[in-house]
Amino acid sequence: EDKVVQSPLSLVVHEGDTVTLNCSYEVTNFRSLLWYKQEKKAPTFLFMLTSSGIEKKSGRLSSILDKKELFSILNITATQTGDSAIYLCAGTPLGGTDKLIFGTGTRLQVFP
Amino acid sequence: EAGVVQSPRYKIIEKKQPVAFWCNPISGHNTLYWYRQNLGQGPELLIRYENEEAVDDSQLPKDRFSAERLKGVDSTLKIQPAELGDSAVYLCASSLGGRNQETQYFGPGTRLLVL
Repeated sequence: EDKVVQSPLSLVVHEGDTVTLNCSYEVTNFRSLLWYKQEKKAPTFLFMLTSSGIEKKSGRLSSILDKKELFSILNITATQTGDSAIYLCAGTPLGGTDKLIFGTGTRLQVFP
Repeated sequence: EAGVVQSPRYKIIEKKQPVAFWCNPISGHNTLYWYRQNLGQGPELLIRYENEEAVDDSQLPKDRFSAERLKGVDSTLKIQPAELGDSAVYLCASSLGGRNQETQYFGPGTRLLVL
């Protein structure tokens, strides 16, 4: 059965800290891995990763995929209170299903 | 550009009552998804539409859930009758076809509470 596991489940940091969120996956015929940020509303798209070792960056956020070890990390540097959210990781299989298989998410809380 | 629109945002009903959720995807997005997100969990796919055709409804509890996407644009998801365990956030998402199909854009969700 396909699954995505995220760790830690919860993280509490102070502003300015750097955090690393982990996502491991077992997805049949894996195609891509996506990261979303979910506040009190819709998950918003952050990154889509399809190739190993190529870092994607957006401001203070960056992510990388390791297809050999079947995991991805999401880094946030110089965290701000606005980064507080649930970060969801999802894998997609080949085969045209385009089904996102989500992990349970990591709840990040950033305190001033 | 308007995002995915869902209504209502919140719904409280008693068990055994029917309920319906509505979704308007991003203009031009052919693929539409309905997800259910239980508290503390990631979203789980219920049904996926390619235009007006349901191409993956394997996770939809068909005894009480139904969905339609007439004309391949708006979609409704219905539960009849609702059970206590149906309390969750129901998310609608849409995506472009082809190679960009993985990038799904989510609506704000409908938070359902069944009493």
